[in-house]
Amino acid sequence: NAGVTQTPKFQVLKTGQSMTLQCAQDMNHEYMSWYRQDPGMGLRLIHYSVGAGITDQGEVPNGYNVSRSTTEDFPLRLLSAAPSQTSVYFCASTYFPRGGAETQYFGPGTRLLVL
Amino acid sequence: GEDVEQSLFLSVREGDSSVINCTYTDSSSTYLYWYKQEPGAGLQLLTYIFSNMDMKQDQRLTVLLNKKDKHLSLRIADTQTGDSAIYFCAERGGSQGNLIFGKGTKLSVKP
Repeated sequence: NAGVTQTPKFQVLKTGQSMTLQCAQDMNHEYMSWYRQDPGMGLRLIHYSVGAGITDQGEVPNGYNVSRSTTEDFPLRLLSAAPSQTSVYFCASTYFPRGGAETQYFGPGTRLLVL
Repeated sequence: GEDVEQSLFLSVREGDSSVINCTYTDSSSTYLYWYKQEPGAGLQLLTYIFSNMDMKQDQRLTVLLNKKDKHLSLRIADTQTGDSAIYFCAERGGSQGNLIFGKGTKLSVKP
């Protein structure tokens, strides 16, 4: 059971380039989400998915696309990278037990630098 | 709107108790959470408290909840150097039903 995995760990992009941040989980969780973490800003929700084929926007969705073709995978696409997208990106999957508190499992993060 | 506030820094000596404070705005939150983030790693759920509880103890961790004042605290007894990390308070209260995180409190433990 690998939990939540993210690739790559580090990436440097030039302004205008596109790329996909990969996220996968092997816990069969329906709910997955993407956050970005910036100094002094905490974590902000970019996009989330409540199950395969269903995605929705979070707090800061502009400049990002997601898809959820399978339960396991939830890739995040940067369409045309901008320096403002320099950040650390975390993918998370969430388990909702009956009658109990949810538990979010975070991936190790992808550090992105846009020049 | 929803907001979770935390102080940004806390420094303690090894062996002392640490108290990290948090205020939140959504009185309808069912659960409130504390996460720990070590350098270069993702967030790890540390503990949580159900909104109808005042206190929860889990080994060296004690969570206190004051619903009237919307104040949450995390006390770490006998703080160790391995407790040095950033601690995030979170409530479920976003318009998308997501978790709302505070900006994090960086705990530094001095030997």
